[in-house]
Amino acid sequence: GQNIDQPTEMTATEGAIVQINCTYQTSGFNGLFWYQQHAGEAPTFLSYNVLDGLEEKGRFSSFLSRSKGYSYLLLKELQMKDSASYLCAVLDSNYQLIWGAGTKLIIKP
Amino acid sequence: NAGVTQTPKFQVLKTGQSMTLQCAQDMNHEYMSWYRQDPGMGLRLIHYSVGAGITDQGEVPNGYNVSRSTTEDFPLRLLSAAPSQTSVYFCASSGGTSESITGELFFGEGSRLTVL
Repeated sequence: GQNIDQPTEMTATEGAIVQINCTYQTSGFNGLFWYQQHAGEAPTFLSYNVLDGLEEKGRFSSFLSRSKGYSYLLLKELQMKDSASYLCAVLDSNYQLIWGAGTKLIIKP
Repeated sequence: NAGVTQTPKFQVLKTGQSMTLQCAQDMNHEYMSWYRQDPGMGLRLIHYSVGAGITDQGEVPNGYNVSRSTTEDFPLRLLSAAPSQTSVYFCASSGGTSESITGELFFGEGSRLTVL
């Protein structure tokens, strides 16, 4: 079966750095997405990785290792507004998105 | 800047009632989809469409129907609501090609449905 694993919840301090991990086992791979979802709102796109390595976009970076079936989202200089759920999703060989259950990130002052 | 518009935002139904969730996008996207989101679970694909006149089933299609008569609209119909269909529903579209999702998904604001 296809599976995406990410921690259920993480807590971090304002101004700090946090890394949210995602491991996947899917039938094929055509890219990995990270989305942010604030409580009661729709998911919004953060990043897309299809090749190994690190993609940096402002305070957010996303890393991919296809051989290890592993990705992480790195958030720097945490702000209170970063409190949200972070969803990892993989595009499989049929170009269907397989979603993780999401990681709820709590930021404390 | 409408993007993806979903209605209604909230709905309460009794078991056995039917209803339609509306979804419209103004970005000329070929790909449109419906997801449901339940606590502790990832988004699950209900139905999707890669263009007008073309629809296909996702992971959890039972109890739902869709149609795609225009590029803009993709309504989701619940034929006979059941308590197991209590969930938050999201419509999403993408500017990817007809055979793949490339680029980001654009989501509607969501519809919170309760079935009593």
